[in-house]
Amino acid sequence: EAQVTQNPRYLITVTGKKLTVTCSQNMNHEYMSWYRQDPGLGLRQIYYSMNVEVTDKGDVPEGYKVSRKEKRNFPLILESPSPNQTSLYFCAIRNRGTDTQYFGPGTRLTVL
Amino acid sequence: GESVGLHLPTLSVQEGDNSIINCAYSNSASDYFIWYKQESGKGPQFIIDIRSNMDKRQGQRVTVLLNKTVKHLSLQIAATQPGDSAVYFCAENVGTGRRALTFGSGTRLQVQP
Repeated sequence: EAQVTQNPRYLITVTGKKLTVTCSQNMNHEYMSWYRQDPGLGLRQIYYSMNVEVTDKGDVPEGYKVSRKEKRNFPLILESPSPNQTSLYFCAIRNRGTDTQYFGPGTRLTVL
Repeated sequence: GESVGLHLPTLSVQEGDNSIINCAYSNSASDYFIWYKQESGKGPQFIIDIRSNMDKRQGQRVTVLLNKTVKHLSLQIAATQPGDSAVYFCAENVGTGRRALTFGSGTRLQVQP
């Protein structure tokens, strides 16, 4: 079964203090993606990566950065977090040639 | 646990009954659909999927029906159990390069013992 881990699971921070949420997978899947989940808005894609060193914007990329230096890791970076980035974040993975995405356990971020 | 929606439609059923959760999708070009289950404090968990060239697919205790004419998807759960209580999302995948999933807003299923 696909294993996706995220750290931290919970984080409370203040406006402007840079933070990184890590995502790691043990499946050697090429595709990785970040979503945020907000009440009434569902899950929306932030960024995705088709492979190492290949990343692209999703539907709501503003205020976020990502990197994909190695296949197993896909960190989400908030250079200057703002309160509107308070949300529940999920990392997802997908194997090449398939469409099913498997999600991590989530990271609850609160920006004060 | 984590709140995934403040005003989600809720379906309440008795343990042992069958449940039907409905979803209207938005894009007639979508070619792949997934149902996810999300329990409090956890990420979405894959339940069952279906491609647009099919109209029905069955899994263990679950069946997905697809009606492309009216862009409607349903998830049927047989003999609903308390462990089925969760929020259920349908997601559609349009045939674009990034293959992002577009999620519905979800339905909360409450199973009464």
